[in-house]
Amino acid sequence: SQQGEEDPQALSIQEGENATMNCSYKTSINNLQWYRQNSGRGLVHLILIRSNEREKHSGRLRVTLDTSKKSSSLLITASRAADTASYFCATDVESNYQLIWGAGTKLIIKP
Amino acid sequence: DTEVTQTPKHLVMGMTNKKSLKCEQHMGHRAMYWYKQKAKKPPELMFVYSYEKLSINESVPSRFSPECPNSSLLNLHLHALQPEDSALYLCASSQAGQPEQFFGPGTRLTVL
Repeated sequence: SQQGEEDPQALSIQEGENATMNCSYKTSINNLQWYRQNSGRGLVHLILIRSNEREKHSGRLRVTLDTSKKSSSLLITASRAADTASYFCATDVESNYQLIWGAGTKLIIKP
Repeated sequence: DTEVTQTPKHLVMGMTNKKSLKCEQHMGHRAMYWYKQKAKKPPELMFVYSYEKLSINESVPSRFSPECPNSSLLNLHLHALQPEDSALYLCASSQAGQPEQFFGPGTRLTVL
């Protein structure tokens, strides 16, 4: 089942620019994760932020979490052509292995 | 070994065929998952195995039959599929009780 929405649905930027994607969800969560999916391939886990954290960094990735607004954002700095992919947020509500997925943002980096 | 492998990469089958998808991981993960993903959509959970026991079945039609022979292997047996079952089938694994999931590259299934 799909809990959240992501926006924008699609984003096209020039290489070197920063890309920001947003994810909103509906219920209280334990954690929120971001995954990347290159065209027609498996998903790759990027970063996890716990409900008691507000910001997390990993390389060129910065994730923020606002539990009062039930939203998260993923910032990719200094984008590269290889960042072209779909990005999904996923939340886990109960500790039963189920993730609730957002609809995804398709990111295109133009050279 | 830090990857999840899936075979075959592509599969074309008729509605009367029986085929199987295979997934393998050697990371010692005790939870394994099958997902179905349609184009431009997020993955939909089908089944979850925890410690080799089926713990979640998301009301999947019986023409899909999962099997977990051991802690490293996960199969999905397919029989009498419909064209609408054509999709990317993804396998994933995780450490027990941990939310991060590790995905295989998927099997692109086409049902004629």
